[in-house]
Amino acid sequence: RKEVEQDPGPFNVPEGATVAFNCTYSNSASQSFFWYRQDCRKEPKLLMSVYSSGNEDGRFTAQLNRASQYISLLIRDSKLSDSATYLCVVRGGNAGNMLTFGGGTRLMVKP
Amino acid sequence: NAGVTQTPKFRVLKTGQSMTLLCAQDMNHEYMYWYRQDPGMGLRLIHYSVGEGTTAKGEVPDGYNVSRLKKQNFLLGLESAAPSQTSVYFCASSYAREQYFGPGTRLTVT
Repeated sequence: RKEVEQDPGPFNVPEGATVAFNCTYSNSASQSFFWYRQDCRKEPKLLMSVYSSGNEDGRFTAQLNRASQYISLLIRDSKLSDSATYLCVVRGGNAGNMLTFGGGTRLMVKP
Repeated sequence: NAGVTQTPKFRVLKTGQSMTLLCAQDMNHEYMYWYRQDPGMGLRLIHYSVGEGTTAKGEVPDGYNVSRLKKQNFLLGLESAAPSQTSVYFCASSYAREQYFGPGTRLTVT
């Protein structure tokens, strides 16, 4: 079983839609959680950190459920420019202080 | 600031050839990393460094060597390339929580 699992998608949504991605992680000792965004044929970039209390950055909301070992990302009012692959990332656990990346969820926002 | 740069951007090697990928960062970061990214696999850590003169193995180190002689540079070497090393290679550096990635090197081994 992969340490960080994501639905690869693609999620095809119309502009203006709300879309949610989920991610599960297997190691309960994991300490920090992040969502990275990766555009096609580009490098990953940090989108936001994820905290137990939940956190919001504009149209993006991230949630962490430690008991279920589950992380989510909600995007409201989707824009064409949101089309990308979203990587769920965990620090700690099997990789020690290093980051472990999920395989990514691809989002395509259509006009 | 250029951030993190990688050279070359593309390379095609024949099986058994060797090459070195160069990563450079101008942010004075202590930590540097080499990852490979394959379809559906996510990024996997090859080697990393916590400071000048230090290196350590990551998840998939076999077939690769690294050196960190200067703080700003992290080199990844392939001594005898194999088709299984066809991949996109990303270098990253970090100071605290966030890792900053270079643009990647697309390597094909035939």
